Amino acid sequence: DTGVSQNPRHKITKRGQNVTFRCDPISEHNRLYWYRQTLGQGPEFLTYFQNEAQLEKSRLLSDRFSAERPKGSFSTLEIQRTEQGDSAMYLCASSSRDRQETQYFGPGTRLLVL
Amino acid sequence: LAKTTQPISMDSYEGQEVNITCSHNNIATNDYITWYQQFPSQGPRFIIQGYKTKVTNEVASLFIPADRKSSTLSLPRVSLSDTAVYYCLVGDGGAGNNRKLIWGLGTSLAVNP
Repeated sequence: DTGVSQNPRHKITKRGQNVTFRCDPISEHNRLYWYRQTLGQGPEFLTYFQNEAQLEKSRLLSDRFSAERPKGSFSTLEIQRTEQGDSAMYLCASSSRDRQETQYFGPGTRLLVL
Repeated sequence: LAKTTQPISMDSYEGQEVNITCSHNNIATNDYITWYQQFPSQGPRFIIQGYKTKVTNEVASLFIPADRKSSTLSLPRVSLSDTAVYYCLVGDGGAGNNRKLIWGLGTSLAVNP
């Protein structure tokens, strides 16, 4: 399967703990996006990378959130000092630079903060 | 910023054609219109994309009038497995390659037997 993969698929953690999610994009895609989605809402943009460069970060993203894509391949999203409001589905997507409207999504990581 | 408006929900029956209309009055000249489908607990899946007139693929058709202020996704002969949320998106009008998609609430389509 050469689609976008995300790990873990589910994560339960206690408030105040740190969590890290991983995304492996489609190999030939140089753009990688992170979104957050809560029940009944559309995906909310968090940040995106072109190769290893983080080009944009949502103003809604607090400083507890950080993302990296060190070698321009896989990416990690870390949430420090988790809060109950962080509970959501975290989606990763990738695209080529010239077809950025055509994004391929992974299955998501569902986070539950107790 | 370009914003889209779609019906929150629609109901249909198996075998019918379903048309979901989306309005995007402030679409930028260089923006494409893209539709995604999302099943529960899965990531969205690209369905179709167009710039003007009509686009058709094996899944759906997309109709875009000349003024591009709206678009209609047409699903022929829906089945129960087409029950999903459908999102209409346009870019945010940013310059060049620094554009991102703006996601609304989508249209929740329920196909009944």
